[in-house]
Amino acid sequence: GAVVSQHPSRVICKSGTSVKIECRSLDFQATTMFWYRQFPKQSLMLMATSNEGSKATYEQGVEKDKFLINHASLTLSTLTVTSAHPEDSSFYICSADGGQLNTEAFFGQGTRLTVV
Amino acid sequence: GQQVMQIPQYQHVQEGEDFTTYCNSSTTLSNIQWYKQRPGGHPVFLIQLVKSGEVKKQKRLTFQFGEAKKNSSLHITATQTTDVGTYFCAFGAQKLVFGQGTRLTINP
Repeated sequence: GAVVSQHPSRVICKSGTSVKIECRSLDFQATTMFWYRQFPKQSLMLMATSNEGSKATYEQGVEKDKFLINHASLTLSTLTVTSAHPEDSSFYICSADGGQLNTEAFFGQGTRLTVV
Repeated sequence: GQQVMQIPQYQHVQEGEDFTTYCNSSTTLSNIQWYKQRPGGHPVFLIQLVKSGEVKKQKRLTFQFGEAKKNSSLHITATQTTDVGTYFCAFGAQKLVFGQGTRLTINP
């Protein structure tokens, strides 16, 4: 299957700082990628859809100015958590589907963010 | 928007016992996917069902999609310790809506 690489796998940052998470499709081009957030022992919640060459589409309740998404190429999407606070501590996961409808999602390894 | 309810939230079994998790929707689903997430890991795709009444098997795992395409189940026969993890159902064409997940723990 397709490989999606996410980096970093873990990050600890101080309150008020910003953190950038990268999501790369290694062996295919992804015009669309998805960013999810997962709090401990909870399900994955879609945050936003990252569209190559255009603005991201955010789900209701997700602050676009806080979670900046950039999808500048067909193989890379980045999520920047700006002015992070402890309540932003979570597991952030990206996914891509290889560009075809109704196919499986390929997930990155996830990023465990801890804000102290 | 559309949601799926997944039960049970937790299931603890003895190794060798069977396990089943269920997903239910109030509306018809175009498809249902199942994922497994190991502790500390990311979701891994297991299968997709799209047809009414569809049944698929993967070794000890049996997946079903209801006739009305509103419910689905995952059944594991004779669980092994490697089956430990959280099983999620999800639906959607590209962006996925996940069920709450069923966390399976196994007593060896």
